[in-house]
Order: sequence, then structure tokens, then C-alpha cells
Amino acid sequence: SQKIEQNSEALNIQEGKTATLTCNYTNYSPAYLQWYRQDPGRGPVFLLLIRENEKEKRKERLKVTFDTTLKQSLFHITASQPADSATYLCALDNANTGFQKLVFGTGTRLLVSP
Amino acid sequence: GAGVSQSPRYKVAKRGQDVALRCDPISGHVSLFWYQQALGQGPEFLTYFQNEAQLDKSGLPSDRFFAERPEGSVSTLKIQRTQQEDSAVYLCASSLSGQGARGYTFGSGTRLTVV
Repeated sequence: SQKIEQNSEALNIQEGKTATLTCNYTNYSPAYLQWYRQDPGRGPVFLLLIRENEKEKRKERLKVTFDTTLKQSLFHITASQPADSATYLCALDNANTGFQKLVFGTGTRLLVSP
Repeated sequence: GAGVSQSPRYKVAKRGQDVALRCDPISGHVSLFWYQQALGQGPEFLTYFQNEAQLDKSGLPSDRFFAERPEGSVSTLKIQRTQQEDSAVYLCASSLSGQGARGYTFGSGTRLTVV
């Protein structure tokens, strides 16, 4: 069956450290993978997109890697700040059924302590 | 507008009541999506519009759910005869193109509680 798995347990780290979140998928062939941030009571906010032929993408303190052999994406936040505390969702298109439908993981909650 | 606007923000419905949820996408965005998000879960796809055409409604849970976008801008998600399992946050998202290659812009959602 098709699955997108993210750590269901919250990730607690100290301010200044690097946070690394994992997204694993099975039985998908995505053309791209996206990461979103979601705060309580708000909709997801788009952060980064990485295509299947890209290994790594960076934006300011954010870095995403995409390994289509391992079927895994890693999302890194360097020099983390308490303001980075939120739930982070990975999402991928399901090329088997068309690009329009994004499929989301359950999200990982990140807590950055001062 | 500057973002995707959804109304109402909160809706409490008695079981069996019909509800209508509204989405105002970003002006000029061709693609519009509805997602359902249960507590502690990721958003789940409901339906997709390209302009006024509903190209994918495979995620609608039952025939009690109906969505429309008659003029290719504002969209309404209607749920008839609401049931408790319909309680969730309903998210609307829009994008310039259908492939989401630049990410989707989501609204803040409508939290529906069926009592």
C-alpha cells in the first residue's frame, strides 16, 4: 500500500542546534516533494520544493535532500530558533494519478527550546 | 486578494444539517483544491478544480459532499446531512498552475464541528 511516514513523536531540540526531520514514502513515484510548515489554527505554508532529479535544495536556514533510491527526504533547519516551533509536513505528488493531487504525511511537531 | 480566504472560520452544525463552506482563492490562480484535515493528521485531498472544471473529485468521502466553482474563482464545498465523522478542518488551496510546482497557498481553513 502507499504510505508517507513522518516521525509522529515531537522533536525537541535546543535553540541554535540543527533540526532534522525525516519523510519516507513507499509505492509512490513522485516528480517532486514539498515541505510545508503548519502553525496551530492555520493552514500549511509552503517552504521548499525539490524535484526528483535534484539531490539538495537550500533556502536561507533550510535545506532539503531527496533520495529517490531510499525513497526519503530529509529536512534540516540550521541555527534553530524558538520561532521555528511548528508542525512540518512533507507532501508529494502522485505521478501515477496525475500531478494535481498532493499527498501529505501526518507531520512532525518541532519544539525549539530557548 | 493577498491570500486565500475561507469562511466561516468556525462552524458548528447539528447532525443532519447542511453546511456550505466558502473559499476565495488568490486572484488569477487557475487551480483550486479542497483538503480535509482531521486532528493530528495531515491534510487529505478531496477535490481539484482547474478554472471552473472539476477535474478530480476522487477524494470526496461520499455523495453527501459536493463542490463547485461556477465562475472559476470562488468555490463552495457543500456537505449535506452532516454526520459526526465530518468534523474536521476543511482547507482550501490555490496555485497558478495545476502542477503545484511552486507550492500551493492554503487558507486558514474552516473548522467544522458536528454535534
